[in-house]
Amino acid sequence: SQELEQSPQSLIVQEGKNLTINCTSSKTLYGLYWYKQKYGEGLIFLMMLQKGGEEKSHEKITAKLDEKKQQSSLHITASQPSHAGIYLCGADIAGRNSGGYQKVTFGTGTKLQVIP
Amino acid sequence: KAGVTQTPRYLIKTRGQQVTLSCSPISGHRSVSWYQQTPGQGLQFLFEYFSETQRNKGNFPGRFSGRQFSNSRSEMNVSTLELGDSALYLCASSSRGSSYNSPLHFGNGTRLTVT
Repeated sequence: SQELEQSPQSLIVQEGKNLTINCTSSKTLYGLYWYKQKYGEGLIFLMMLQKGGEEKSHEKITAKLDEKKQQSSLHITASQPSHAGIYLCGADIAGRNSGGYQKVTFGTGTKLQVIP
Repeated sequence: KAGVTQTPRYLIKTRGQQVTLSCSPISGHRSVSWYQQTPGQGLQFLFEYFSETQRNKGNFPGRFSGRQFSNSRSEMNVSTLELGDSALYLCASSSRGSSYNSPLHFGNGTRLTVT
C-alpha cells in the first residue's frame, strides 16, 4: 500500500468552484510538500509545510498541515482552468531517522480538471 | 537562475540496450535525486546524491545506477533495458540535501520508451 494516500484520485469541477485535496499518512509527516504537474512535464513546487498546524497560501491556493502532522489538505478557492493538472503531495516520512538525507515519498496524485 | 535541466527530453531504445540520462541541477544545489514516474506506480524514488556520494537508494534492481560529478551534475544509467523501464525519469535538486527543510526542484524529465 502507498505510504501517502491522496484523495480524491480525480476531480472535475466547474470554474469558480472551491475544492479540497487531501494527503494522509499513517506516519508522522516531516517536510510536507505540495507540487503541481502538467502531463508529461516536471513537478512545480507550490508550498512546503513543516510545523503542525501550519498554514500557507499562495494566490488562491491554501495548504495546511494538521496538528498531529499526519494529514495535509490543499484548498483551491474560485478555481480557474489554469489550476488544472495533477497535484502531488510529497513528504519525508522517515524524518531524522533517515539521517537527514534527501528522500521524499510521493502520493499517488490527484488529477484536477476545471471546466470553463 | 536557470532551473534543473535534463537531457535528452525523449529517448527511444530497444530491449537489452543501455541508456544514460543527464541532469544539471540549479546552480549551488549539491543534492540531486532521481525518480521514475509511471502510470501504475506513480513517482518512485531511485537514488539521491550529495557531493558525489550516493546517500540513499530506492528499491530498484542493480541495472539502475547513477553518479554525480564534482560540479554536481548527475547521470543515471539503465543497463539491459526492459519494456517495464518505459517511464518518465525525473531529476530534482535541492539546496541543503535534507528533505525536511529543503524542497526538491524538478526538471522536465526524460521520457524513455523501450520497444
